[in-house]
Amino acid sequence: EDQVTQSPEALRLQEGESSSLNCSYTVSGLRGLFWYRQDPGKGPEFLFTLYSAGEEKEKERLKATLTKKESFLHITAPKPEDSATYLCAVQAGGDTGRRALTFGSGTRLQVQP
Amino acid sequence: DVKVTQSSRYLVKRTGEKVFLECVQDMDHENMFWYRQDPGLGLRLIYFSYDVKMKEKGDIPEGYSVSREKKERFSLILESASTNQTSMYLCASRLAGVGELFFGEGSRLTVL
Repeated sequence: EDQVTQSPEALRLQEGESSSLNCSYTVSGLRGLFWYRQDPGKGPEFLFTLYSAGEEKEKERLKATLTKKESFLHITAPKPEDSATYLCAVQAGGDTGRRALTFGSGTRLQVQP
Repeated sequence: DVKVTQSSRYLVKRTGEKVFLECVQDMDHENMFWYRQDPGLGLRLIYFSYDVKMKEKGDIPEGYSVSREKKERFSLILESASTNQTSMYLCASRLAGVGELFFGEGSRLTVL
């Protein structure tokens, strides 16, 4: 069974204080690892896809990295507008029954001015 | 841009009522999904459809059914709503196979 565990559950940072969110996963044959941002009361918004260990993607203050067991979302010099819940998800390989994504519970990030 | 539209943002229903949640995507995507999201439990897959009239059960299909008669539309049906189905329901679509999901804004359902 595919599993995704995110830590910490919640994180409070001061503006400009860099940090990292962790996503540990267990999956048979990783096809892709996905990061999403979700604002309160809204649907998740896609950020990154990583396909293989060693891959990195960047977007503004966010950088996602991938190893064979976990992924990190690094937030450099965050601003209050980065406050949101960040979700990690994996897609396994295999048969047609595994075309959906398995999500973690998310990390709630609050950035204070 | 891909647009996934869920017909109702907020619904309040009574126990035993039949509930329809509608989802439409405008990008000719083959795959469509229904998840529910609850605090502390994350997103859990209810059903997905990899093509018109094709569907597969997700992790929590009990109490739900789905319909996909046209490529752009995927409906979630609660035959007899119960209070434990109070939740945020999220529809998503994907072009095909491997790739990111595009989500709608969600439908918050309250069952009294």
